[in-house]
Amino acid sequence: DIQLTQSPSTLSASVGERITITCRASQSIDDWLAWFQQKPGRPPKLLIYKASTLDSGVPSRFTGSGSGTEFTLTISSLQPDDFATYYCQHGTFGQGTRVEIK
Amino acid sequence: QVHLQESGPGQVKPSETLSLTCTVSGDSSGDYYWSWIRQSPGKGLEWIGYICCGGTTNYNPSLRSRVTISQDTSKKQFSLQLASVSAADTAVYYCARGGRFGGVFMSTPATWGQGTLVTVSS
Repeated sequence: DIQLTQSPSTLSASVGERITITCRASQSIDDWLAWFQQKPGRPPKLLIYKASTLDSGVPSRFTGSGSGTEFTLTISSLQPDDFATYYCQHGTFGQGTRVEIK
Repeated sequence: QVHLQESGPGQVKPSETLSLTCTVSGDSSGDYYWSWIRQSPGKGLEWIGYICCGGTTNYNPSLRSRVTISQDTSKKQFSLQLASVSAADTAVYYCARGGRFGGVFMSTPATWGQGTLVTVSS
């Protein structure tokens, strides 16, 4: 079974900062990785699929990269609406990274 | 515009079977991947499984012995059954439709229902 490990678990940042979240797979998954954003009380929202392709309507400040076993989600300039929990997914989900206001 | 709505009992007794239905308004083609995902209170997301492609199923290995996902395309519904539940199965259960990107159907959940809380308690 493939395991996904995200880091960090929590990230404190300020508006305007650039942040990066890492997701590591226990074995190669090529580029079959997605990223989701979830806010409290809401279903997750798809941001990126196939490691680097933005879903329709997702702002360009979000960037996904990687292949094989190591992947990253970068937000180039954090906006107030971006404070949320982020999950990577390949079938199973990573444990999540909570992005909070510094 | 597709819309998904979960329905079913909000409470299930321990050892019984949890049954949920997802009703789809919009494109409910069997070519899509139709998934169930859950989230225990205050915890992360757990993929349960999906059905696609004329009835092919794929389940989370940790739940495989207790899970059945089925589909009724005529009713535009797909369903989840989880047997022998315990308190650990208390969660918000989401149904989701996989994406169709560049004409390719993928299992990546692109459209989600709002979720329904199921509590396992006697």
